[in-house]
Amino acid sequence: KNQVEQSPQSLIILEGKNCTLQCNYTVSPFSNLRWYKQDTGRGPVSLTIMTFSENTKSNGRYTATLDADTKQSSLHITASQLSDSASYICVVSYDRGSTLGRLYFGRGTQLTVWP
Amino acid sequence: GAGVSQTPSNKVTEKGKYVELRCDPISGHTALYWYRQSLGQGPEFLIYFQGTGAADDSGLPNDRFFAVRPEGSVSTLKIQRTERGDSAVYLCASSLNGGESTDTQYFGPGTRLTVL
Repeated sequence: KNQVEQSPQSLIILEGKNCTLQCNYTVSPFSNLRWYKQDTGRGPVSLTIMTFSENTKSNGRYTATLDADTKQSSLHITASQLSDSASYICVVSYDRGSTLGRLYFGRGTQLTVWP
Repeated sequence: GAGVSQTPSNKVTEKGKYVELRCDPISGHTALYWYRQSLGQGPEFLIYFQGTGAADDSGLPNDRFFAVRPEGSVSTLKIQRTERGDSAVYLCASSLNGGESTDTQYFGPGTRLTVL
């Protein structure tokens, strides 16, 4: 069964600190993995997209890593800000050749940054 | 520039009623997607349009759900005989091409549907 599991379910950190969110998946065949940020009451916003050949990708203070062998990914947030408070969702694309891969979403990690 | 917009932002209806949810994608985006997100869950795929046609509707839970995109831009998600279990946020997303699996999807703010 194709699944995406994220941990922790929720996380509270102090402003300025770093944190790492985890994602494990069983989706196969695998096409790409994305991390989205979803603010409360808003639609998800893409942070990074990585194909199976990429090990790491950065977007400002966000750095995603991917180990396609162990089917694990992490999202590292550096020097957290209050505006980082949101749900971070790991999304894995199922490879179906030239057509759009079906997207499988994790439940998200709810991050709260306190001043 | 304008992003994906969805209307209404909130919809409250009674069990058994019919509802329509509208999505306006980013201009020029050929691919459009509908997702459903229940509280505390990640979005769940419903249907994907490439132009006017439904390229993948395998996520629609049953025949009470139907979606159209007659002119290849605006899409309407239609739900008949609504049930309390249909209560969720319905998200729409669009992407430029859709044919590439790395195509970035841009999401709208969602429509919160509540079935009483």
